[in-house]
Amino acid sequence: ETGVTQSPTHLIKTRGQQVTLRCSSQSGHNTVSWYQQALGQGPQFIFHYYREEENGRGNFPPRFSGLQFPNYSSELNVNALELDDSALYLCASSFRRGPSDEQYFGPGTRLTVT
Amino acid sequence: AQTVTQSQPEMSVQEAETVTLSCTYDTSESDYYLFWYKQPPSRQMILVIRQEAYKQQNATENRFSVNFQKAAKSFSLKISDSQLGDAAMYFCAYRSPEGGSEKLVFGKGTKLTVNP
Repeated sequence: ETGVTQSPTHLIKTRGQQVTLRCSSQSGHNTVSWYQQALGQGPQFIFHYYREEENGRGNFPPRFSGLQFPNYSSELNVNALELDDSALYLCASSFRRGPSDEQYFGPGTRLTVT
Repeated sequence: AQTVTQSQPEMSVQEAETVTLSCTYDTSESDYYLFWYKQPPSRQMILVIRQEAYKQQNATENRFSVNFQKAAKSFSLKISDSQLGDAAMYFCAYRSPEGGSEKLVFGKGTKLTVNP
């Protein structure tokens, strides 16, 4: 069984640029959530996808967008990057059965915006 | 909106000893789910233990147990017989039972150091 993977591991971008982060869900999982973890903070929920549709969103502006593909891999896109977007971005997948489901996290992508 | 507070930014414990990490939360919901996640230095977050609010019995998983006090909105994690591999950031998280909600609300975390 393959776990959750994310790419790239690290990324450096310039303010105003756009970035795409990728996540490959654990085999058999049909939901994916994305979180932003600033240095020294807990993860903050960005949004999640279920069966390729956005199914819930946190307090993040529209320049944060995502996609989930039929094979349940997903992307997080961030436009017009700002310095405060520098963070560790985590994705988490699960197979939806109920709210006690365990979410399986990837190792994260460290984004630095200069 | 739900909030989760971890008041201990850092804790340390001697190997083989017991340590308790604190977590409080605020919610107006009567049913919900609580989790403790561990994030080792390699960064991949893993689930340690979960508790359903409707269950009065405290959850246990081997050396890990919780003290769930619903009225006080407190959810502490006890680690017994601490091991060097327990060193990590520990995050307390809340999840609403709202249909389809995958959102976890995390605290700021507690960094646990295990001394040999």
